[in-house]
Amino acid sequence: AQSVTQPDIHITVSEGASLELRCNYSYGATPYLFWYVQSPGQGLQLLLKYFSGDTLVQGIKGFEAEFKRSQSSFNLRKPSVHWSDAAEYFCAAFDSWGKLQFGAGTQVVVTP
Amino acid sequence: EAGVTQFPSHSVIEKGQTVTLRCDPISGHDNLYWYRRVMGKEIKFLLHFVKESKQDESGMPNNRFLAERTGGTYSTLKVQPAELEDSGVYFCASSPRLPRTGNTEAFFGQGTRLTVV
Repeated sequence: AQSVTQPDIHITVSEGASLELRCNYSYGATPYLFWYVQSPGQGLQLLLKYFSGDTLVQGIKGFEAEFKRSQSSFNLRKPSVHWSDAAEYFCAAFDSWGKLQFGAGTQVVVTP
Repeated sequence: EAGVTQFPSHSVIEKGQTVTLRCDPISGHDNLYWYRRVMGKEIKFLLHFVKESKQDESGMPNNRFLAERTGGTYSTLKVQPAELEDSGVYFCASSPRLPRTGNTEAFFGQGTRLTVV
């Protein structure tokens, strides 16, 4: 069965430090992959997506993600986090009908 | 351009009552999806409309849930009668095309937080 896994439920990071959120997928073909963020009281905002082509994808708010087929991973990174990056982050994959399969989410806490 | 809008943003109802959630997709988006996140659980797919037709309703929990998309514009999701386990956040998303036809994405609304007491 197709699945998306986020191994880390909760991550705490200091402001200014780097951040990496892990995502692993299990799909038959090359999946269409996404990272969404949900800030408190907000909806789901798209950070970036991978459809094809360059495996290093740039997104909004200084985030990037790298698609690695050999590791079935699509990890999200940010070189230096800001307090406003505290939120819940979701990795997700489309099927061919545009239905999203979400990971469990990773809660990011940013400390001063 | 207006985004996906959902109404209401919050709803508190008693067990056994009926609640109707509404979603207005981005104009011109044929594909409309409903998702739900129950407390502590993953975001789960409920159903997918293509225009006014239900393409996939495999995620609907049971027959207490009824979704419609009259005229292929806005959609409603009715829960009747509501149970305690229906509490959660209901998200609506729309997209202009299917992945099989090209690069696309899902645009989400703010969600409706439903609390059944």
